[in-house]
Amino acid sequence: AAGVIQSPRHLIKEKRETATLKCYPIPRHDTVYWYQQGPGQDPQFLISFYEKMQSDKGSIPDRFSAQQFSDYHSELNMSSLELGDSALYFCASSWRTSGAYNEQFFGPGTRLTVL
Amino acid sequence: AQKVTQAQTEISVVEKEDVTLDCVYETRDTTYYLFWYKQPPSGELVFLIRRNSFDEQNEISGRYSWNFQKSTSSFNFTITASQVVDSAVYFCALSKGSSNTGKLIFGQGTTLQVKP
Repeated sequence: AAGVIQSPRHLIKEKRETATLKCYPIPRHDTVYWYQQGPGQDPQFLISFYEKMQSDKGSIPDRFSAQQFSDYHSELNMSSLELGDSALYFCASSWRTSGAYNEQFFGPGTRLTVL
Repeated sequence: AQKVTQAQTEISVVEKEDVTLDCVYETRDTTYYLFWYKQPPSGELVFLIRRNSFDEQNEISGRYSWNFQKSTSSFNFTITASQVVDSAVYFCALSKGSSNTGKLIFGQGTTLQVKP
C-alpha cells in the first residue's frame, strides 16, 4: 500500500540558511499535518491543511511557512535556520469521514541538522 | 486544556514477559479520540490503534491489547509475550472530536527495551 512520502530524508544546513521539506500524502487523503520532534522529545504539532486550506496552527515559528498544493502535496519552508531547528520533521496524512478525522499515517520523516 | 501523560519513561523486560504501558489523558471534550503509535529505532511513527470516546470496549490484536477506561481517563497498552522486535518508543496521543482539526497531542513516550 502507498505510504506518505517525504523528501529529502536527510538535510544539513548552515545557520541562517533556508530549507524546504516536501510531503506527498497517501492518495485520496485530504489532510496533511506537520510535526517537529526534537531529540528525546515527543512530536509537536506545527500546522495542518485540509483541502489545501490551512486548518490549524500550532507552535510554528514565524520563520516557517507551509502550504498545500492542488495535487495535495505540501511543503514546509524554513528560513533563517537556527541550531534549535535541528529535529526530525514528520508529515502525516489523513482523511475525513462524516466530519471526523481518521487516524494519521506518518511519513518516514526528514532529519534536519543545522550547523 | 488537553494533556497526555505517560508516567513510565523507560521500561525494561526480558523476552516473553508481559508488559503494560500506561497512558492517562485530560480533556474537557465529550468526543475525542485516543491513539497509540510505535517509534522503532529506525525513527518512523507506526500507527497501532485509534479509539473514540464512545467505545470503551477493549481491543485485542495478536499480542497487543488495549484497555480504555473513561472512569480513570486511562488508555493502557499491554504487550503479551514480548519480543525483542517490540523494543521501541511508544507514544499515546489524543485528538479532539467535535470542531476538530485532527491534530494529535502526544504524551512524552515510553521507551520499551525487551532483552533476549
